[in-house]
Formats: sequence, structure tokens, C-alpha cells
Amino acid sequence: KQEVTQIPAALSVPEGENLVLNCSFTDSAIYNLQWFRQDPGKGLTSLLLIQSSQREQTSGRLNASLDKSSGRSTLYIAASQPGDSATYLCAVRASGGSYIPTFGRGTSLIVHP
Amino acid sequence: EPEVTQTPSHQVTQMGQEVILRCVPISNHLYFYWYRQILGQKVEFLVSFYNNEISEKSEIFDDQFSVERPDGSNFTLKIRSTKLEDSAMYFCACRGIRNTEAFFGQGTRLTVV
Repeated sequence: KQEVTQIPAALSVPEGENLVLNCSFTDSAIYNLQWFRQDPGKGLTSLLLIQSSQREQTSGRLNASLDKSSGRSTLYIAASQPGDSATYLCAVRASGGSYIPTFGRGTSLIVHP
Repeated sequence: EPEVTQTPSHQVTQMGQEVILRCVPISNHLYFYWYRQILGQKVEFLVSFYNNEISEKSEIFDDQFSVERPDGSNFTLKIRSTKLEDSAMYFCACRGIRNTEAFFGQGTRLTVV
């Protein structure tokens, strides 16, 4: 059974810092990995999707990498802003059989001015 | 940008009552999902739906739950007799055939009292 772990659980940084959020998964036979943002009491907004054949994806100040063999993905946020404050969720979709994503608990990020 | 719409945004119901949560997926998407997130916990998969039938369901999705597409556009989740522990945020998601990215709605917050 796939287990997804996100470290750290919470992070508080001053504005302008570059930061890295980590996601690890136990079963490397994945189809893709998706990073989401969730604002308090709100839904999930897709940030980046990495297919199993890809090593990284970039969107603006966000860069997500994937190392399947080691079961890890990182989300890099450059020049963080207070508006980046949210919970960031990692979801891993298995290959073969079930295509249902397994979510991590998320990293709660606060960027203070 | 196309979006997934969920109604209502918040529902309060008495224990034992039936509730129906509604979702309007993106129009050309064919795979539909329901997830829930109990406050402070992980996003959990409930059920997936394709070609007018359930394709997968989790152990959470017991006989109290049902899904349907009553009119070819709406996708509903019914809870027949709500329990206190059904209180959670319920998310609808969808994806297209070629598009492996899942798009989520903003969620319905269900409070059972």
C-alpha cells in the first residue's frame, strides 16, 4: 500500500526566502505525482503535475522535481511571498491497477512579511 | 479556465438525515471522483466513477454512500443516514481521457449535528 509522507509538517519563513518542501512515497511504481495548494477551508488547486517519465516541471516561481528510484519529490518555491501561505499537498498516483491518488498530510506554510 | 463547481459550499444537517452533495464537472471530462477531508486530516479517496458506473471505491464508501449522474452533467454523492463522523469537507474531482491531471472543486463542508 502506497504511503506518502510530507516533511516538514509546518514551515514559517520570512518573505523573500527560497524554500523546499519534501514529499516521499514508499512504492516507486507511480504513474504521476501532483502538487496542490490548499488555502484554509478551501478546495485544492493544482500547481504542478509530473509524469513518471519526467524529472521536473516548472511554473513561474515553482519547480517540482521527481526522483522515482528514491521515492522523492521536492517542491521548490523561489522568492517566497505572503500570498504563498497555504498548505501544500503532494498526491501520488500508482501505475497499473488503481489510478487513485494517495495524498500526503501536507506542509502548512506561512510566509510572513 | 474551466472549473469544477460544487454546491452547496456548506451544509449543516441533523444526524440521521440524508444529504446530497452536487458537483458539475468540467464538460468534456469523463472520470469523476469524490474525496473527503476530515478537519486536520488527510484527503481520503471515496469513489471513482466512469461510464455511468463505479470503477473503484474505498472502505470508507459503505452502503450509506451512493453516487450517480442523474442528468449527464451533474455528479452527486448521497449519504443516506448521516453520522457525526461524516462531518468533513467533500471534494469532487474530474479528469479527461488524455489529461491525467485531476481538477478539484472548492468542496462542500458538511457539518452533522
